[in-house]
Amino acid sequence: AQSVTQLDSQVPVFEEAPVELRCNYSSSVSVYLFWYVQYPNQGLQLLLKYLSGSTLVKGINGFEAEFNKSQTSFHLRKPSVHISDTAEYFCAVSDGYSSASKIIFGSGTRLSIRP
Amino acid sequence: EAGVAQSPRYKIIEKRQSVAFWCNPISGHATLYWYQQILGQGPKLLIQFQNNGVVDDSQLPKDRFSAERLKGVDSTLKIQPAKLEDSAVYLCASSFTSGTHEQFFGPGTRLTVL
Repeated sequence: AQSVTQLDSQVPVFEEAPVELRCNYSSSVSVYLFWYVQYPNQGLQLLLKYLSGSTLVKGINGFEAEFNKSQTSFHLRKPSVHISDTAEYFCAVSDGYSSASKIIFGSGTRLSIRP
Repeated sequence: EAGVAQSPRYKIIEKRQSVAFWCNPISGHATLYWYQQILGQGPKLLIQFQNNGVVDDSQLPKDRFSAERLKGVDSTLKIQPAKLEDSAVYLCASSFTSGTHEQFFGPGTRLTVL
């Protein structure tokens, strides 16, 4: 069975500071990994995804994540955050591309940016 | 391109009442998902449709929840009767195909059961 653990429920950072949101997963088969962002009162939006290939994945809004198979991690990073990055971030894992595959979401990390 | 539409955006009901949510996916998207997002948690899949057929409803509480997707386009999710623990945001998502292809989410319906 797959699972996702987001180690921090809240991360406060100052504007223009770097940030890392941590995510660890468990899966017995090949994994596909995702980060989604949810702005207040909105649905989820895909930030980036790892399917195969390069372990460093770049996404929208200057975010990137690194897939580390040995540590079963997929941490999200941004070198300099803005007030507009205030949102909830969800890490997710799926085991495949078939019609039976489904995405399992973590519990989320709330990123709050201080001016 | 229009996104996933959901209505209503907010709903307040008393326990034991019934409620229905509506979702219109992105045009051409064959796969439609309903998720329940309880405050402080990630979304949990309730049901997945491929066209108008159910692919996965293993986590749908079938004694009180039902969903349909007639004609393979828009979908409704119903709760009857509602319980206090059903208070959550109900998210609809769609994708071009099933599996891990990118899912596009609607804004959700926030349900409060009193």
